[in-house]
Amino acid sequence: DTAVSQTPKYLVTQMGNDKSIKCEQNLGHDTMYWYKQDSKKFLKIMFSYNNKELIINETVPNRFSPKSPDKAHLNLHINSLELGDSAVYFCASSRQLLAGVTDTQYFGPGTRLTVL
Amino acid sequence: AQSVSQHNHHVILSEAASLELGCNYSYGGTVNLFWYVQYPGQHLQLLLKYFSGDPLVKGIKGFEAEFIKSKFSFNLRKPSVQWSDTAEYFCAVNADGSQGNLIFGKGTKLSVKP
Repeated sequence: DTAVSQTPKYLVTQMGNDKSIKCEQNLGHDTMYWYKQDSKKFLKIMFSYNNKELIINETVPNRFSPKSPDKAHLNLHINSLELGDSAVYFCASSRQLLAGVTDTQYFGPGTRLTVL
Repeated sequence: AQSVSQHNHHVILSEAASLELGCNYSYGGTVNLFWYVQYPGQHLQLLLKYFSGDPLVKGIKGFEAEFIKSKFSFNLRKPSVQWSDTAEYFCAVNADGSQGNLIFGKGTKLSVKP
């Protein structure tokens, strides 16, 4: 069984379009994350949600909007796509240990977004 | 602000050679430390982690890492690498109270020649 899954795996689209990436985890974790990996393989956190509540919101354009319908899902919607949005987007999840302290993060397979 | 430095951008070794990948972080408080591996075209997998206790931690596939608090370091080691270890290795740090904000180093690409 896949622990953290993402769809789609590949996404090719034109500039200006709106697209969504879905993420689901079946680990029973409280916290979910989105990371962006650029062309140089550098990984940076974008958002995290704990029990459907936004916890971390790094400096990300407001064209990016995460949505958590329940604690097992965290979707990423991107409006008005730009060339610079091309990257691999990874979803992750973890257990909350204590307030402000989380356990190991488990990553999904990634979604390679290409904006033409 | 926290940061993580990985000193080697690309390491090339022959099979059976020993490996040590450097990782230093900047943060004065309590941290949790991780090494993740990303095989070509795949997602990140946890190699090992340090939360507390014995500073020498053993992970999967024969990897280990040592947390040296005085040096703010968490170097990854393997006594004898295999061709299948060819991958990108990421060190990451998560400070207590940071709500899981995992700060990654820029990664080290390891190429093992058969």
